[in-house]
Amino acid sequence: EVQLLESGGGLVQPGGSLRLSCAASGFTFSSYAMSWVRQAPGKGLEWVAGISDSADSTYYADSVKGRFTISRDNSKDTLFLQMNSLRADDTAIYYCAKEFRGYRYGRYSIYFDWWGQGTLVTVSS
Amino acid sequence: DIQMTQSPSSLSASVGDRVTITCRASHSINNYLNWFQQKPGRAPKVLIYAASNLESGVPSRFSGSGSGTDFTLTITSLQREDFAIYYCQQSYSTPNTFGQGTKLEIK
Repeated sequence: EVQLLESGGGLVQPGGSLRLSCAASGFTFSSYAMSWVRQAPGKGLEWVAGISDSADSTYYADSVKGRFTISRDNSKDTLFLQMNSLRADDTAIYYCAKEFRGYRYGRYSIYFDWWGQGTLVTVSS
Repeated sequence: DIQMTQSPSSLSASVGDRVTITCRASHSINNYLNWFQQKPGRAPKVLIYAASNLESGVPSRFSGSGSGTDFTLTITSLQREDFAIYYCQQSYSTPNTFGQGTKLEIK
């Protein structure tokens, strides 16, 4: 069964840094694009960053561009999110999500088919 | 960026009811529209992908329709476990934006 296990969250001061990890199992990690999605307390979902299967392409939300870096180690089946210059509005649960891309029932589909349980990042002094 | 607007923001219904949630995209997204369900303290779970395809294991009382800019999620014969928050999400272009969510509550 697919499992995604995030770690690395915690309390950090404004301006600080944190590195999140997502350990994947149950599927061929190197064959799938991955993303980070966050959810501020009591708020909706916000896509943060994405990375292609081979790591040759990365994508970011404007809100984190220049501060966050997504990466992956396909030899260790692990996804990362390096977060620098953290601000109070980065406080959220951060989920990693596996992306399915392909044809199903005749339709080309792109969607997050598996999610981790999330890790909480709190930015506060 | 493509904006996704869901309506209503909240909805009260009873077990056995039929409910419909709508999602509108600011630009055409063909059928690159997905629906997620989220329960308190849990990660989101996909229900519908590509506008109308039911994810494996999801009850058939859930269905999706639409194309272009206007989409709907319909739940027939609501069950107690369906009371949750529902999000639409476009996967047509980056950033993959979500709707603001619809909270489905028990009447």
